[in-house]
Amino acid sequence: EAGVAQSPRYKIIEKRQSVAFWCNPISGHATLYWYQQILGQGPKLLIQFQNNGVVDDSQLPKDRFSAERLKGVDSTLKIQPAKLEDSAVYLCASSFSRDRETQYFGPGTRLLVL
Amino acid sequence: AQSVTQLGSHVSVSEGALVLLRCNYSSSVPPYLFWYVQYPNQGLQLLLKYTSAATLVKGINGFEAEFKKSETSFHLTKPSAHMSDAAEYFCAVRASVSSASKIIFGSGTRLSIRP
Repeated sequence: EAGVAQSPRYKIIEKRQSVAFWCNPISGHATLYWYQQILGQGPKLLIQFQNNGVVDDSQLPKDRFSAERLKGVDSTLKIQPAKLEDSAVYLCASSFSRDRETQYFGPGTRLLVL
Repeated sequence: AQSVTQLGSHVSVSEGALVLLRCNYSSSVPPYLFWYVQYPNQGLQLLLKYTSAATLVKGINGFEAEFKKSETSFHLTKPSAHMSDAAEYFCAVRASVSSASKIIFGSGTRLSIRP
């Protein structure tokens, strides 16, 4: 069974530029999560999708971050414009349903904003 | 609201020694508790989880954790450390009563193994 795929693995941009990350969850997983992991901290949930609907985006900085999962499968997270403090690893995870506690994580995208 | 506190950002043990990583939680409702491991440049992998069944939970790679409600703790242990156990470990909590509640992660403990 293929795991959660993410791309790119690394990205370096300058502040005020825009960037997008892509995630393809495990086949058949209805729930998809985006986390932000700042160096030295645990992951923080940014947004949770159930199929193509948003369940929780309470910690998503909506003035600069956006995410979509139009067909209920893969998802894109965008930052526009980026700030220095957005430097982090962005992790995507999926689970069979939101009632299933086990989340499967992708390898993450490491973003550096200069 | 739920939260977790991991005591010690870095733990170093000798190969073959006992591993003990500490986690205390705070939850207004019965919690679900998790331990995840993160190897360098990889995503998180679930080690074990407590979901209100047995208080002693066994996970992968020889790890186990015990839920102690009176101490609000969920410490992770392994009797004998192996070099391959070197990684970052995260304790996490989720409210059990709502399937929509999010998982809250601790700040992590980096485990180093001395030869």
